Amino acid sequence: EEQLEESGGGMVQPGGSLRLSCAASGFTFSSYAMHWVRQATGKGLEWVSSIGFAGDTYYPVSVKGRFTISRENGKSSFYLQMDSLRAEDTAVYYCAREGVRAYGSGTYWYFDLWGRGTLVTVSS
Amino acid sequence: DIQMTQSPSSLSASVGDRVTITCRASQTINSYLNWYQQKPGRAPKLLIYAASGLQSGVPSRFSGTGSGTDFTLTISSLQPEDFATYYCQQSYTNSRTFGQGTRVEIK
Repeated sequence: EEQLEESGGGMVQPGGSLRLSCAASGFTFSSYAMHWVRQATGKGLEWVSSIGFAGDTYYPVSVKGRFTISRENGKSSFYLQMDSLRAEDTAVYYCAREGVRAYGSGTYWYFDLWGRGTLVTVSS
Repeated sequence: DIQMTQSPSSLSASVGDRVTITCRASQTINSYLNWYQQKPGRAPKLLIYAASGLQSGVPSRFSGTGSGTDFTLTISSLQPEDFATYYCQQSYTNSRTFGQGTRVEIK
């Protein structure tokens, strides 16, 4: 069975750091781009970062320079190092796999496998 | 970044109703548009990819249309298990973005 499982969430003070992990199983991890998506309580989904199978990384402006995504293909895992945390970073953080498919005349990407999420609380 | 705007933000409907949710991109995204369903306390679930492709295992009452900047998710006959929040998401740029969500409630 294909699965993703997050770990590492918890409570941290503003300005602090936290490292999230996502362990993958049941599929060839090294062949996929992987993402982090977060959701504050009662709010919508916000894309946080991505790492391609070649190691290329991307971030939105809201976390660029503070968050770092990385992966270890040998461990079928990827990570999110979060530094200089702010109250507005409080959310459930999901890891997600990006599937890819040829459809019609193009190639398309989508999030087809998600973890259950891990809660990060930034508070003094 | 590309902004995704959904409408309405919420709607009330009855079992059996036809429901339509709209998603508009701030610039063209061709057909790089996905739809997800999320129930409380659960991770999102992929429904539609590439604007109109039905994900395996998703009931055929769900359908998607559109290209360019305007997209629609339709539930042809709402079922009790469809009450949830729905999100669109673009994969046209490396900075993936989501719409703000549409909550479908029981009337």
